[in-house]
Amino acid sequence: AQTVTQSQPEMSVQEAETVTLSCTYDTSESNYYLFWYKQPPSRQMILVIRQEAYKQQNATENRFSVNFQKAAKSFSLKISDSQLGDTAMYFCAFERRDDKIIFGKGTRLHILP
Amino acid sequence: IAGITQAPTSQILAAGRRMTLRCTQDMRHNAMYWYRQDLGLGLRLIHYSNTAGTTGKGEVPDGYSVSRANTDDFPLTLASAVPSQTSVYFCASSEGGISPLHFGNGTRLTVT
Repeated sequence: AQTVTQSQPEMSVQEAETVTLSCTYDTSESNYYLFWYKQPPSRQMILVIRQEAYKQQNATENRFSVNFQKAAKSFSLKISDSQLGDTAMYFCAFERRDDKIIFGKGTRLHILP
Repeated sequence: IAGITQAPTSQILAAGRRMTLRCTQDMRHNAMYWYRQDLGLGLRLIHYSNTAGTTGKGEVPDGYSVSRANTDDFPLTLASAVPSQTSVYFCASSEGGISPLHFGNGTRLTVT
């Protein structure tokens, strides 16, 4: 069975700093998709970034980038120049080929002024 | 506005009662999902469906059932509610593959 592990329950960084959130997963599949979602206090789930497993190049979306290490089954999220609005819960998610999507337990990120 | 509608928004339910949480999407997405969110446990998949007429079990399916009679609707039923089913329930849909999930606003369920 697939699992997704986020080893950092909570993190705090100063505004403008760079922070990296870790995510590891376990699967025997070779083709799959990985996502990071953000959940602010409003409870709305917002897609941050996504990665296809067969693509070697790490995905980037403005200040957000990933370090995808397929062999190590690692998918970390880097937030550069962090902003107060980045304060939220961050969830890593794994999707297998039959569209089943499971999430990690989340990392609560605090951006401090 | 296209999206996912969940009903009710919140509910207090006596243990042992039957309850159906409703979920409707108007985006013609093939894949639909039910998650429960509990503090410290993240989002856990209850059931999912990758196309109308098919469903699959998630991580925590016990005590829940779903049906997918058509593309738009994906109701979640608690046959006999128990207090451990107190949670926030999210319905979501996707085109599948690399497409992102679209989430409903959630249903806060309290079982007493």
